[in-house]
Amino acid sequence: LAKTTQPISMDSYEGQEVNITCSHNNIATNDYITWYQQFPSQGPRFIIQGYKTKVTNEVASLFIPADRKSSTLSLPRVSLSDTAVYYCLVGPKMDSSYKLIFGSGTRLLVRP
Amino acid sequence: GAVVSQHPSWVICKSGTSVKIECRSLDFQATTMFWYRQFPKQSLMLMATSNEGSKATYEQGVEKDKFLINHASLTLSTLTVTSAHPEDSSFYICSARAGTALNTGELFFGEGSRLTVL
Repeated sequence: LAKTTQPISMDSYEGQEVNITCSHNNIATNDYITWYQQFPSQGPRFIIQGYKTKVTNEVASLFIPADRKSSTLSLPRVSLSDTAVYYCLVGPKMDSSYKLIFGSGTRLLVRP
Repeated sequence: GAVVSQHPSWVICKSGTSVKIECRSLDFQATTMFWYRQFPKQSLMLMATSNEGSKATYEQGVEKDKFLINHASLTLSTLTVTSAHPEDSSFYICSARAGTALNTGELFFGEGSRLTVL
């Protein structure tokens, strides 16, 4: 059973900021939150990872409230190429044997 | 960054034949690799955990005799779909976590292998 819940789909337009929220009510103390992006017929690609507060990299920001029961992936000024499925996963960071279970993901459609 | 590579990218086979898919970690050692299966417009479903030098651990409902996993080295895991049937047609994806070797804990995924069984 997936440990996360996300909206099934979202629509946006080019140039807009997109925020995708993920619920993980049962997150454990040593769990990190990781977001992946998947294009059709490709393996998922790492976007960003965080533990608390805010993390930012060159492609996205991740906002995590103090209770860590949810997180929000923020994509600034999306383009058509950001159309993809986005997955939120939680799990321990350094346990190489920990198996990640995927939820449904959020299918983002960016329109011109 | 770390790379996980799969081969072949796509394969078509006749019903009843066996197909082997390879998963390699190109620049790090992976004692554990994971195999997922993904049907069209669905999420990734974990099939099994591949452990170097020992038997794979299969998820509930996944037939171990149908999907043979061998993890003979720290950089290679193979998935063999035996006696393939059309319902085995799917997108198979492997992954491995770099772990302490790269100090990131990031899970890297292969490009995926699309199997079509005629």
